[in-house]
Amino acid sequence: QSVLTQPPSASGTPGQRVSISCSGSSSNIGSNPINWYLQLPGTAPKLLIYSNNQRPSGVPGRFSGSKSGTSASLAISGLQSEDEADYYCAAWDDSLNGWVFGGGTKLTVL
Amino acid sequence: QVQLVQSGAEVTKPGASVMVSCKASGYMFNNYGVTWVRQAPGQGLEWMGWISTYSGNTNSAQKLQGRFTMTTDISTSTASMELRSLRSDDTAVYYCARLRTYGSGSYADYWGQGTRVTVSS
Repeated sequence: QSVLTQPPSASGTPGQRVSISCSGSSSNIGSNPINWYLQLPGTAPKLLIYSNNQRPSGVPGRFSGSKSGTSASLAISGLQSEDEADYYCAAWDDSLNGWVFGGGTKLTVL
Repeated sequence: QVQLVQSGAEVTKPGASVMVSCKASGYMFNNYGVTWVRQAPGQGLEWMGWISTYSGNTNSAQKLQGRFTMTTDISTSTASMELRSLRSDDTAVYYCARLRTYGSGSYADYWGQGTRVTVSS
């Protein structure tokens, strides 16, 4: 079982807004910034959001992140077919003294 | 441009060791750490550890301590990891990534292409 909890799947239609949640505890999300990664099938993960809500250059503005307490959320607006991928949240865990990942959410664009 | 190129796939037996290398280019290697993450077939991402290319300090996941070693060679801008006493559940794709740190956190901003390691008798 993953330390961070994500829904295993999410879906939406093109143009829709979808949100993916990530739930943790006081030792990880509650006290450290969260990052989000996207992974297309058969490829390496790619950084999507860092420090809760910062987008690296090249990541479209329709991807946004937020955090409140021990939970975080990734929102994708104007959903596109190429957004179909696995999404992972990650944060440092002070108790485990290491990074922890969510189990991943498979996003399907209907 | 920043690139991390990993060594090729490995097939090995239980009890053996495996080493995966990660050659960086396009940036000052000793200005960033390197982290290692693995992904078992059909599973999610699992953090393994990180190494400071500046000091050589390391930090690894508790479950791997004792059989996992990370090293760097600044002269060749290459990071390496070795996993010993391999078991079947070590079968996974192993990724290296550049680690960027800032005041309150860190993140992996560039990733290698992955190295598939298969442990089978």
